[in-house]
Amino acid sequence: QQKVQQSPESLTVSEGAMASLNCTFSDRSSDNFRWYRQHSGKGLEVLVSIFSDGEKEEGSFTAHLNRASLHVFLHIREPQPSDSALYLCAVRITGNTGKLIFGLGTTLQVQP
Amino acid sequence: AQTIHQWPVAEIKAVGSPLSLGCTIKGKSSPNLYWYWQATGGTLQQLFYSITVGQVESVVQLNLSASRPKDDQFILSTEKLLLSHSGFYLCAWSLGTNQAPLFGEGTRLSVL
Repeated sequence: QQKVQQSPESLTVSEGAMASLNCTFSDRSSDNFRWYRQHSGKGLEVLVSIFSDGEKEEGSFTAHLNRASLHVFLHIREPQPSDSALYLCAVRITGNTGKLIFGLGTTLQVQP
Repeated sequence: AQTIHQWPVAEIKAVGSPLSLGCTIKGKSSPNLYWYWQATGGTLQQLFYSITVGQVESVVQLNLSASRPKDDQFILSTEKLLLSHSGFYLCAWSLGTNQAPLFGEGTRLSVL
């Protein structure tokens, strides 16, 4: 069973400073990874999807996948206070259910 | 215009009472539909998925049921609520399983 863990549990950065979030998964055969964010009490907003080793950039969000080391990172360039939210890593399991396994998330606080 | 609409926004219900949560997708033909649940402080879990009208697959057993009476409608229900049903329920859709699911704004359920 795919396991997904995120670190750190919470992160505080200053406005404009790079924020880096880590996600570790257990099944190297997975090939479909997503980062979402959730503002308090709201639904999920997809940020970036990545399917192969390397980097994928979407606006100020860059995902970096390294399946050999079982890591997928999210880097947020020049975060703003409005980027303060819960960031969730999701790994799709193989099969046709479309099922995503989520981590518990990293709570990011961006201070002005 | 919002593509996915969930109702109600929030519910407070008594243990043992029935529940019905709804989700409507506008402007998309034959989407895959999903129900996810997020317990307070817990991770998001997929409960059900549906790839076509009338067909729903259960992923996690939580004494809940789901139905897809129309192509654009997904219903989550139970006849008797448990305390453990409290949490945040999210509906999501995708066109196929490779696309990142896009989530609604969610329904906050408190069972007392």
